Amino acid sequence: SQQGEEDPQALSIQEGENATMNCSYKTSINNLQWYRQNSGRGLVHLILIRSNEREKHSGRLRVTLDTSKKSSSLLITASRAADTASYFCATDARDDKIIFGKGTRLHILP
Amino acid sequence: NAGVTQTPKFRVLKTGQSMTLLCAQDMNHEYMYWYRQDPGMGLRLIHYSVGEGTTAKGEVPDGYNVSRLKKQNFLLGLESAAPSQTSVYFCASRPTTKATGQYFGPGTRLTVT
Repeated sequence: SQQGEEDPQALSIQEGENATMNCSYKTSINNLQWYRQNSGRGLVHLILIRSNEREKHSGRLRVTLDTSKKSSSLLITASRAADTASYFCATDARDDKIIFGKGTRLHILP
Repeated sequence: NAGVTQTPKFRVLKTGQSMTLLCAQDMNHEYMYWYRQDPGMGLRLIHYSVGEGTTAKGEVPDGYNVSRLKKQNFLLGLESAAPSQTSVYFCASRPTTKATGQYFGPGTRLTVT
C-alpha cells in the first residue's frame, strides 16, 4: 500500500495564482520529499523537509509538515505555465524505503 | 556527469519472455531504487538496495528480481514477463545521508503483449 496520498488529484488554476497541494501519510518518517514530473519524464526532486522541521522554503515553494497530523502541504506561489506538471510527495521512513503517493496533476491556465 | 541512466528506453516483450533492465549511476551513491509507474497509481517501489551486494523488497516485488554486484549498477530482471508488468520503470539513487532527495533516471517504457 502507498504511504502518501495527495489531495487534490487534479488542480487547475490561472497563471499567477497560488497552488496548494496536500499529502497525508501513515507511519513515522525521517523526512518527507516533494517531486515534480513533467509528462512522460523522470521525477525531479524539489524540496525535502525533515521530521523535526515545520516549514521550509525554496524559491517560490513553501512546504509545511505536521507530524502530529501526519500531513504536509506544498505551496507554489505566483504560478507559471512551466509549473504545469504532476507533483508527488514521498516519505522516507525508518526502513530506508522511499514510498510515493499517487500525485496531484497541476494545470496552469494562461 | 551523466547522473542516472537507464537501458533500454523502450522495449516490447511477448508474454513469457525474460529481460533485464540496467540502471547505472556515476554519483557514487549507496542507495538505489526501482519503481514502476502505472496510470493513476503514482510510483510503486519494486526493490531497493542500500549498498553493493545488498537488495531488499519494496511494495510490489513479485515477478521481479534484482542484483547489485557493482555499486554503480542496479539490475532489474523479469524472468517470465506478464501483461500486468506493462509499465514505465524508473530507477533512482541517493547518497547515504538521509537529508537528500533521490535522483531519477529517464525511465524505461516496457510493453508486454
